[in-house]
Amino acid sequence: EDQVTQSPEALRLQEGESSSLNCSYTVSGLRGLFWYRQDPGKGPEFLFTLYSAGEEKEKERLKATLTKKESFLHITAPKPEDSATYLCAVRNTGGFKTIFGAGTRLFVKA
Amino acid sequence: ETGVTQTPRHLVMGMTNKKSLKCEQHLGHNAMYWYKQSAKKPLELMFVYNFKEQTENNSVPSRFSPECPNSSHLFLHLHTLQPEDSALYLCASSQAGTSGGNEQFFGPGTRLTVL
Repeated sequence: EDQVTQSPEALRLQEGESSSLNCSYTVSGLRGLFWYRQDPGKGPEFLFTLYSAGEEKEKERLKATLTKKESFLHITAPKPEDSATYLCAVRNTGGFKTIFGAGTRLFVKA
Repeated sequence: ETGVTQTPRHLVMGMTNKKSLKCEQHLGHNAMYWYKQSAKKPLELMFVYNFKEQTENNSVPSRFSPECPNSSHLFLHLHTLQPEDSALYLCASSQAGTSGGNEQFFGPGTRLTVL
């Protein structure tokens, strides 16, 4: 069964304190691994798609990496506006179902 | 309008009411989705429509009834809901095909409260 586990559940950082969020996954055949950002009371905002192990993508202070078993979202020198819940999701090569993790709530204090 | 829009943004209804949620996508996509998001739980896929045809029904109770009249519009008809159905209901769309990851783009959601 396809599964996504994110850790930690919550992460509190000081402004400028770099860290990483983890997404462990099992999937029968990976079509894509996705990262989203979600602010309270809003819909998830698409960040990245990773397709194969070794792939990396960057956007501003965020960098996503992928191995055969997990993905990391690295946050470099975070700012308070980076505070949000970050969701990881995987889609397998069959069907239309995307499996989401429970998310990591990130708090960045000034 | 751009992206994915949802109306209403907030809805309060009694258990005997009938209401509908509306979603419209302006991205030219061919697949649309309904998700339920409850506090501290992962997004739960409810329904998937691909080219207006329902391809997934994730064991959703019959008090939730989806409708997809065309590739740009999606409705969720609600009747005789229970208080545990209170949640954020999210609509998403994607370009389904044989290439790419089919990443989904979400609307802002409808916050539903069932009294």
